[in-house]
Amino acid sequence: KNEVEQSPQNLTAQEGEFITINCSYSVGISALHWLQQHPGGGIVSLFMLSSGKKKHGRLIATINIQEKHSSLHITASHPRDSAVYICAVRGLETSGSRLTFGEGTQLTVNP
Amino acid sequence: GAGVSQSPSNKVTEKGKDVELRCDPISGHTALYWYRQRLGQGLEFLIYFQGNSAPDKSGLPSDRFSAERTGESVSTLTIQRTQQEDSAVYLCASGSPGQGDEQYFGPGTRLTVT
Repeated sequence: KNEVEQSPQNLTAQEGEFITINCSYSVGISALHWLQQHPGGGIVSLFMLSSGKKKHGRLIATINIQEKHSSLHITASHPRDSAVYICAVRGLETSGSRLTFGEGTQLTVNP
Repeated sequence: GAGVSQSPSNKVTEKGKDVELRCDPISGHTALYWYRQRLGQGLEFLIYFQGNSAPDKSGLPSDRFSAERTGESVSTLTIQRTQQEDSAVYLCASGSPGQGDEQYFGPGTRLTVT
């Protein structure tokens, strides 16, 4: 069992739909990251959070430390949101800020 | 300002050859990470440098892999006697504790071992 698990693995939505991607982890963490990987491979950090909720534009990330679970929401989805979304955690037991990654969720938003 | 840069962007090499991949982190970032992403798989941690501390090499898959970093600047990842299973995108990221542990990723080097 991976330390970080994401669901779903693949998600197809119509433009305008509300999207939720889930991430569950099994270790104690000091921070959780949501990353976006574009089709060309570039990775962009969307959020880093250790508690509560963060919002940036149409993106919202939440985390529940007790339940070891985080969600990434996209409101009013758009085809340009199509990408792989990756959840990554910084474990309490790991050195420095190295991350452990989920397998990613491939999101496709159709016009 | 400039982001993390990596070179080359693509590298095709024959099995058994050595390759060297370069990462230029964002100026001032004390932390530098190497990750690997095999086709269709998630990212794997390889090695982590933080300032002048001893690097965390726990993610290196074999002794064919090594990495160096000059001070708080450029890093090179070397793979000796490459194997086909080394084919992957190698990603570098940098960050600074003063910036809340955000990691800024480079564009990656796509390595193909034939």
